[in-house]
Amino acid sequence: DQQVKQNSPSLSVQEGRISILNCDYTNSMFDYFLWYKKYPAEGPTFLISISSIKDKNEDGRFTVFLNKSAKHLSLHIVPSQPGDSAVYFCAASATSGTYKYIFGTGTRLKVLA
Amino acid sequence: KAGVTQTPRYLIKTRGQQVTLSCSPISGHRSVSWYQQTPGQGLQFLFEYFSETQRNKGNFPGRFSGRQFSNSRSEMNVSTLELGDSALYLCASTLGPSGELFFGEGSRLTVL
Repeated sequence: DQQVKQNSPSLSVQEGRISILNCDYTNSMFDYFLWYKKYPAEGPTFLISISSIKDKNEDGRFTVFLNKSAKHLSLHIVPSQPGDSAVYFCAASATSGTYKYIFGTGTRLKVLA
Repeated sequence: KAGVTQTPRYLIKTRGQQVTLSCSPISGHRSVSWYQQTPGQGLQFLFEYFSETQRNKGNFPGRFSGRQFSNSRSEMNVSTLELGDSALYLCASTLGPSGELFFGEGSRLTVL
């Protein structure tokens, strides 16, 4: 049972344009969400997070939107740069219970120069 | 400060053998989690330790086990290796019981 889903395995975007990566979850107990970026041969690195008390969080070129009613979150990267080419994972946690993060299967983003 | 350190980085084993992977968290971090990454499956949660106690366990068979020591270092062990255990095993630490995970570079296990 995949509680966190990233339905697009890959995405290609032109440099300078917006990249939108999507993530859906099924567990209504999830209340904290994170996005990670992973380059080959490296561990994932934290990008941005959002708590369920918010619907938007922004950090530079990265913005995460949360739609609790739809159980959907998205990561927007504006403008996209070639260095953003990586695999992006979303993760969710139910902080009120025992703590663990459930990750999606990842979306491979390719930013074309 | 030093990040999460995992050893070994690469290893090759044969079916039926067992393997032990080690993780040293960031200094001061008390929570360590382990994940298995395989193509198409994303990061699958294995287990999480906090102050030497296993707090969570994922849906993996009993061949997968782990422990945490008093200095927060953690080990995971896989016994009776199968071909399907070939994967990147990632360790992550957090300062407290919640917050962002800081990942190591992983241990890539190949089972022949």
